[in-house]
Amino acid sequence: EAGVAQSPRYKIIEKRQSVAFWCNPISGHATLYWYQQILGQGPKLLIQFQNNGVVDDSQLPKDRFSAERLKGVDSTLKIQPAKLEDSAVYLCASSLVTGYEQYFGPGTRLTVT
Amino acid sequence: SQQGEEDPQALSIQEGENATMNCSYKTSINNLQWYRQNSGRGLVHLILIRSNEREKHSGRLRVTLDTSKKSSSLLITASRAADTASYFCATKAAGNKLTFGGGTRVLVKP
Repeated sequence: EAGVAQSPRYKIIEKRQSVAFWCNPISGHATLYWYQQILGQGPKLLIQFQNNGVVDDSQLPKDRFSAERLKGVDSTLKIQPAKLEDSAVYLCASSLVTGYEQYFGPGTRLTVT
Repeated sequence: SQQGEEDPQALSIQEGENATMNCSYKTSINNLQWYRQNSGRGLVHLILIRSNEREKHSGRLRVTLDTSKKSSSLLITASRAADTASYFCATKAAGNKLTFGGGTRVLVKP
């Protein structure tokens, strides 16, 4: 069974630039999550999709972050414009049943200079 | 704010010793999960314990849950160098969101 795929693995941008991350969940997993993990901290949920609908985006900074999940499969997360404090690892995860075991991708390490 | 808080923040042990870490949380939960994260990688699910369970085992892992104290513990027995990682508890309260703690960094020295 293929795992959760993410790209790119690393990205370095300057502040005020824009960036996009891509995630392909495990086939058949209806729930998809994007997390932000700042160095030394636990993952913080940014947005949760059930199929292609948003379930929770209460911690997504909507003035600069956006996410979509077209056709209920893969997803993109965008930051525009980036700030220095956005430097973090962005993790995508999926689950077969919401609230239970989540499968994580390798993450994208973003550095904003 | 984070629902679960792990203790200790860091732990250093010798190979073969047991490692114990704790997680405390604030609100009633539906289930509690433990995840492992090796350096530079994504998280891997280890074990899930439901609110009506008190103890669960999986290989060298033992998890306990005390809902009256709002706390859980993860015990890794006979640790190996490969167990070096960060360990996170995650709680599912009402609703569908998992909330992660800050993690315990475990170093197993050979």
